[in-house]
Amino acid sequence: KQEVTQIPAALSVPEGENLVLNCSFTDSAIYNLQWFRQDPGKGLTSLLLIQSSQREQTSGRLNASLDKSSGRSTLYIAASQPGDSATYLCAVRRPNQGGKLIFGQGTELSVKP
Amino acid sequence: DAGVIQSPRHEVTEMGQEVTLRCKPISGHNSLFWYRQTMMRGLELLIYFNNNVPIDDSGMPEDRFSAKMPNASFSTLKIQPSEPRDSAVYFCASRPGTSGGSYNEQFFGPGTRLTVL
Repeated sequence: KQEVTQIPAALSVPEGENLVLNCSFTDSAIYNLQWFRQDPGKGLTSLLLIQSSQREQTSGRLNASLDKSSGRSTLYIAASQPGDSATYLCAVRRPNQGGKLIFGQGTELSVKP
Repeated sequence: DAGVIQSPRHEVTEMGQEVTLRCKPISGHNSLFWYRQTMMRGLELLIYFNNNVPIDDSGMPEDRFSAKMPNASFSTLKIQPSEPRDSAVYFCASRPGTSGGSYNEQFFGPGTRLTVL
């Protein structure tokens, strides 16, 4: 059974700091991994999607990496801003299971001015 | 593009009442997903459809829950009868078909916050 874990559950950093969010999964046989952002009381916004054959994806100040063999992904946020404060979730999609995503519990990020 | 549309945004009902949640996926998307989010269990997939056909409903918790997709632009999730433990945020998401660069990404609606008293 695939399980997805995100550590830490919460993180508080001062503005301008570079930071890394972690995501681990127990079964390395994944189809892809997706990072989402969720603001309080809102839906999820897709940030980055990494296919199983890829090592990383970048979008602006965000960089996501994937190491399937070790069952890990990281989301790197450069030069953090207060507007980055949100909950970040990772989700994995397994092969041959259609679009079913298995989510981690998320990391709640707070960036202090 | 209006994105995934869900209604209502908030629903408060009493135990035993029927609840119907609605979703309009992004136009042209072939797959639709219903998720439930709670503090205890996080985000869980309830059911998903491909081309209006239910593919995997293994996440539907009980027979009280049912979902339909009568056409490509509309889906409902119904709870009958509702119970206090059904209180959660219910999200609908849609995904494009196999063409296009973002065909693997799921796009989420704003959710329906359900409270069953």
